[in-house]
Amino acid sequence: AQSVTQLDSQVPVFEEAPVELRCNYSSSVSVYLFWYVQYPNQGLQLLLKYLSGSTLVESINGFEAEFNKSQTSFHLRKPSVHISDTAEYFCAVSEGSGGSNYKLTFGKGTLLTVNP
Amino acid sequence: DAGVTQSPTHLIKTRGQQVTLRCSPISGHKSVSWYQQVLGQGPQFIFQYYEKEERGRGNFPDRFSARQFPNYSSELNVNALLLGDSALYLCASSLNRRSYEQYFGPGTRLTVT
Repeated sequence: AQSVTQLDSQVPVFEEAPVELRCNYSSSVSVYLFWYVQYPNQGLQLLLKYLSGSTLVESINGFEAEFNKSQTSFHLRKPSVHISDTAEYFCAVSEGSGGSNYKLTFGKGTLLTVNP
Repeated sequence: DAGVTQSPTHLIKTRGQQVTLRCSPISGHKSVSWYQQVLGQGPQFIFQYYEKEERGRGNFPDRFSARQFPNYSSELNVNALLLGDSALYLCASSLNRRSYEQYFGPGTRLTVT
């Protein structure tokens, strides 16, 4: 069975500082990896995804994540955060074989708080 | 284009009652999934429907059921509500059953008292 571990439940940082949100996964087959962001009282927004190809993927708002198969990790990074990045971030995995790509397994989330 | 829509936004029910939540997927998307997000946790998969058939089910009791209509909208039903059913219920749509990307709606906040 697949599982996702987000190592930090809360990450406080100052504005314009770099940040890394950690995610490790466990799966017996090839995986597809996602980061979702949830702002207060809202649903989930897809931030970025790794399906295949380049192991470094980027979002339009400056976040990036790197798929590391040997370390089974998919950490999210941003070199300089803004107040507006304050939100809950969820790492998710979808297994990619046997037709079982129908569900996402999520981590417990990391609350990123950007302080002025 | 409209995203995934869900109704109602908020709902308060009493233990033992039944509830129906509704979801309309993104236009052109044929697959709908339901997730439960308890406060402080990540979403947990409940169901996926594609072409009106159940394609996957998570570890939830039989009190939870769902269906998908010919227009690809979906309903989630929960019977005999328990306090522990209080959560944000999220609907996600994807293009088809082999699509890995899921797009989420704003959710329905269910409170059971």
